[in-house]
Amino acid sequence: GENVEQHPSTLSVQEGDSAVIKCTYSDSASNYFPWYKQELGKRPQLIIDIRSNVGEKKDQRIAVTLNKTAKHFSLHITETQPEDSAVYFCAASWGGGNEKLTFGTGTRLTIIP
Amino acid sequence: NAGVTQTPKFQVLKTGQSMTLQCAQDMNHNSMYWYRQDPGMGLRLIYYSASEGTTDKGEVPNGYNVSRLNKREFSLRLESAAPSQTSVYFCASSKRGQASYEQYFGPGTRLTVT
Repeated sequence: GENVEQHPSTLSVQEGDSAVIKCTYSDSASNYFPWYKQELGKRPQLIIDIRSNVGEKKDQRIAVTLNKTAKHFSLHITETQPEDSAVYFCAASWGGGNEKLTFGTGTRLTIIP
Repeated sequence: NAGVTQTPKFQVLKTGQSMTLQCAQDMNHNSMYWYRQDPGMGLRLIYYSASEGTTDKGEVPNGYNVSRLNKREFSLRLESAAPSQTSVYFCASSKRGQASYEQYFGPGTRLTVT
């Protein structure tokens, strides 16, 4: 089955700086890569996703890049703000009609004011 | 719309007791999922249901059973709880077969087994 590794497990950045979280996946058939954000005590929520026919996708301060050859994808957050403090999870899926996701182990991002 | 709802929010069980976690969604989604979340382990899939009437095992199904009661409801049962099942359980749903595969999560159930 699919295996997703996520690094780093914790990350602290100064407010206004950029944060980068990286994930690698094992199954070359995977074609859908979402990122979820989970605030303390809350449920995970989708913040951005990318499909294998696209190399990069941006949504305001958040971007995701995908390198299918190397089987890794990354989340980039620019101009970080205190409300970006949360745990971020990457995931991968081969689709196939059932949208079964394999999640990474998460990155706890702390924004230092 | 309430989205995905779960009951109960909290539960404490003794080893060997049984219980059922309830999940319901009002978004007319086809697929539903049960995950457990443990510190440092991310979200691990227990069981999922791609459509009404079907269920399949995920990564960590041992010790659990599920029932897809109808399109809206998907329950998770622990027949004989063990301390290793102490965790936060999330139910999720998604609209199968569409361009977006976003999964919508419920608020979670915090289960402690003593």
